[in-house]
Amino acid sequence: GDSVTQMEGPVTLSEEAFLTINCTYTATGYPSLFWYVQYPGEGLQLLLKATKADDKGSNKGFEATYRKETTSFHLEKGSVQVSDSAVYFCALGQSGGYQKVTFGTGTKLQVIP
Amino acid sequence: NAGVTQTPKFRILKIGQSMTLQCAQDMNHNYMYWYRQDPGMGLKLIYYSVGAGITDKGEVPNGYNVSRSTTEDFPLRLELAAPSQTSVYFCASSSNGDSNQPQHFGDGTRLSIL
Repeated sequence: GDSVTQMEGPVTLSEEAFLTINCTYTATGYPSLFWYVQYPGEGLQLLLKATKADDKGSNKGFEATYRKETTSFHLEKGSVQVSDSAVYFCALGQSGGYQKVTFGTGTKLQVIP
Repeated sequence: NAGVTQTPKFRILKIGQSMTLQCAQDMNHNYMYWYRQDPGMGLKLIYYSVGAGITDKGEVPNGYNVSRSTTEDFPLRLELAAPSQTSVYFCASSSNGDSNQPQHFGDGTRLSIL
């Protein structure tokens, strides 16, 4: 079946540092890929998505490119802020009567001033 | 603009008790989902619904039941609470079942079974 593997956390960075959170997947067919963010005490929110190979999703300075050849969807941001501290989930979406989403285990990011 | 609303936010139950977790959405979405989130794990799908009157099991349905009498509401029922059901529960919705649709999540219900 489908699976998503993302790097273990927590990740601790200083403000303005470069962020990479690795995500790889295994899947049949042509899934869509997502990054969701979860702030403390809240539900998941869509951060960005990509629906086909070579698509780049971007939002709030975050970017990720759908790489079919390496089955990866790594999340990057050039300069993190304290307000980016949260848990980030990589996810894969398939259709088939309903939207079946496979989530990674989440990576906690802590940004210190 | 409420989106997906879950109640209660926190609850402590004793083993064997029952309760219903409420979920309502105001986006007129046909598709709704219940997940549980355990520490260090991704979200696991409990049940889903593709419209009023239509529900089906997800990955981890044992010990839970759902109903969907209206488009807006999708309650999750625990009949005989067990310690293994201690978790954070999230309700989500999407406008359709396409692979590229984002899901909209509530803020969760943190449930402890003692």
